[in-house]
Amino acid sequence: AQSVTQLDSQVPVFEEAPVELRCNYSSSVSVYLFWYVQYPNQGLQLLLKYLSGSTLVKGINGFEAEFNKSQTSFHLRKPSVHISDTAEYFCAVSAKGAQKLVFGQGTRLTINP
Amino acid sequence: SAVISQKPSRDICQRGTSLTIQCQVDSQVTMMFWYRQQPGQSLTLIATANQGSEATYESGFVIDKFPISRPNLTFSTLTVSNMSPEDSSIYLCSVAPGGLYNEQFFGPGTRLTVL
Repeated sequence: AQSVTQLDSQVPVFEEAPVELRCNYSSSVSVYLFWYVQYPNQGLQLLLKYLSGSTLVKGINGFEAEFNKSQTSFHLRKPSVHISDTAEYFCAVSAKGAQKLVFGQGTRLTINP
Repeated sequence: SAVISQKPSRDICQRGTSLTIQCQVDSQVTMMFWYRQQPGQSLTLIATANQGSEATYESGFVIDKFPISRPNLTFSTLTVSNMSPEDSSIYLCSVAPGGLYNEQFFGPGTRLTVL
């Protein structure tokens, strides 16, 4: 079975500052990894995904994440955040070949002017 | 990608009643999923609904409480039966058009409040 731990429930940052949202996973098999964003009162939108290949993955809205197999991590980063990045961010994992997505608890990113 | 709509977008219901949530996709997909997001919580998978077969429920969820229909490749319904305040959540459907890679696209959700 897979599990996901998002180490920070809330992350406040100032506008134009860099941010890192942390995600660690546990799995006995190879996995696919995802970051989703949920803006207020909306559904989830895929930010980026790691399937294979390069461990540095670039997504939409200037976000990127790095897959680190030895540390079982998939941290999300953005060099300069905007007010519009205020949202809930979810890390998710699925076992290769399986259908099920397992989500972390979410990190609420708040951008202060 | 896929565009997903859900009806209703929100509802307030009385204890003991049932609500059916509809999920419509703009393309044919084999796999559809129903999730529950309790207030301030993450998403929990309720069941996987593949067209032409019975839905597969996750641990802690049963068909009598959450019956699902999947009459064709673009539509599904989830019913929340005999509701209690603990059922107050956002219910989301999603699809995985790519199948193998599990990239899922989500609907906007149905916000349910049970009084």
